[in-house]
Amino acid sequence: QSALTQPASVSGSPGQSITISCTGTSSDVGSYNLVSWYQQHPGKAPKLMIYEGSKRPSGVSNRFSGSKSGNTASLTISGLQAEDEADYYCCSYAGSRWVFGGGTKLTVL
Amino acid sequence: EVQLVESGGGLVQPGGSLRLSCAASGFTFSSYDMHWVRQATGKGLEWVSAIGTAGDTYYPGSVKGRFTISRENAKNSLYLQMNSLRAGDTAVYYCARAKDFDYWGQGTLVTVSS
Repeated sequence: QSALTQPASVSGSPGQSITISCTGTSSDVGSYNLVSWYQQHPGKAPKLMIYEGSKRPSGVSNRFSGSKSGNTASLTISGLQAEDEADYYCCSYAGSRWVFGGGTKLTVL
Repeated sequence: EVQLVESGGGLVQPGGSLRLSCAASGFTFSSYDMHWVRQATGKGLEWVSAIGTAGDTYYPGSVKGRFTISRENAKNSLYLQMNSLRAGDTAVYYCARAKDFDYWGQGTLVTVSS
């Protein structure tokens, strides 16, 4: 029951775009269109940013987008803002269980 | 407004038990699957358990046989009974709604230590 693989950290300057990858297997990311992404600021609960791979909940900025190719899902944040600095986690349904990625710390330079 | 409020955390000795609760409001609780997710200090998120609207339950291997998730729809409440606790179970425990974990509570801290 390994976690999904995310880069430990990514960084970008304000206004730039960054992409965070989330690599799983054919048993999770590759088999289901049920990848979600969460933003977590220090000391706060996670917040849903993307669900079902590419859908945005109401109220989430359209600067956030999701995609999937094979066993890898991706979160792209365009027009980086200082408030985007946070930890980001992916999650995938894996057939009667759910698995999270290890998390990626986004630093806005 | 959807609200999830966890309670029941605290300090417990290894081998001990604890029961967490999650009070839900602002939505039709009985119509949603519910989850518990935990996060050790400085670590990532770990899915702990899920319960469907029909009462079907799911667990990862790390807690199966030790933890039991349940729900009481009449009280809009979710529970997690944790037995045979270990130091590795020390974490903030969150309840979350539905398959997309679209709403989360603020979490309750469980510390397993002698």
